[in-house]
Amino acid sequence: DIQMTQFPSSLSASVGDRVTITCRASQSIRSYLNWYQQKPGKAPNLLIYDASSLQSGVPSRFSGSGSGTDFTLTISSLQPEDFATYYCQQSYDTPKTFGHGTKVEI
Amino acid sequence: EVHLVESGGGLAQPGGSLRLSCAASGFSFSSYAMNWVRQTPGKGLEWASYISSRSSTTYYADSVKGRFTISRDNAKNSLYLEMNSLRDEDTGVYYCAREAYTSGWPFDHWGQGTPVIVSA
Repeated sequence: DIQMTQFPSSLSASVGDRVTITCRASQSIRSYLNWYQQKPGKAPNLLIYDASSLQSGVPSRFSGSGSGTDFTLTISSLQPEDFATYYCQQSYDTPKTFGHGTKVEI
Repeated sequence: EVHLVESGGGLAQPGGSLRLSCAASGFSFSSYAMNWVRQTPGKGLEWASYISSRSSTTYYADSVKGRFTISRDNAKNSLYLEMNSLRDEDTGVYYCAREAYTSGWPFDHWGQGTPVIVSA
């Protein structure tokens, strides 16, 4: 199975901050990397697919980059509604494994 | 609007069984592959199973293979997960998720989840 490693596991930030989350795959997954946001008690919500494609309806302050094994999710200016946990997922191969999440806190 | 609504979760004893359902609406269910994803205290988000749009192909995570069975009824716009030989580590929230018809096949819509508790 492809292992997905996210870091940091948590971070503290303020409204307006630029935030970057990193995800590393245990082998090349080309650009088959997705990012999800999850708020407490809710299902995950797709933000970015194919490493850098913004899902419809997602604010443009979210962006993704990377290919191969190293990927990043960037929030250009953190908003109050962005405090949540973020997960990466590879969709290159089955099982479609997730990272362990990065909790973004105040 | 796409809606996915899971049901069937609850309390089960180790070795017991549960059948989860996912009712889909707002899209052409028969055109999309579907997945079950669970969120457990031990492993976080874990993909569990996949079924193609016409049920011709199914996949399972090693942790559930041989114990869980995914199925669907396109006439009823419904997805199912038959869970047998339940273990403590199966405890968690189970989500059905639609696989998007786009590059990389991400999961673009999720249900609200149904909780499963396996305990004696």
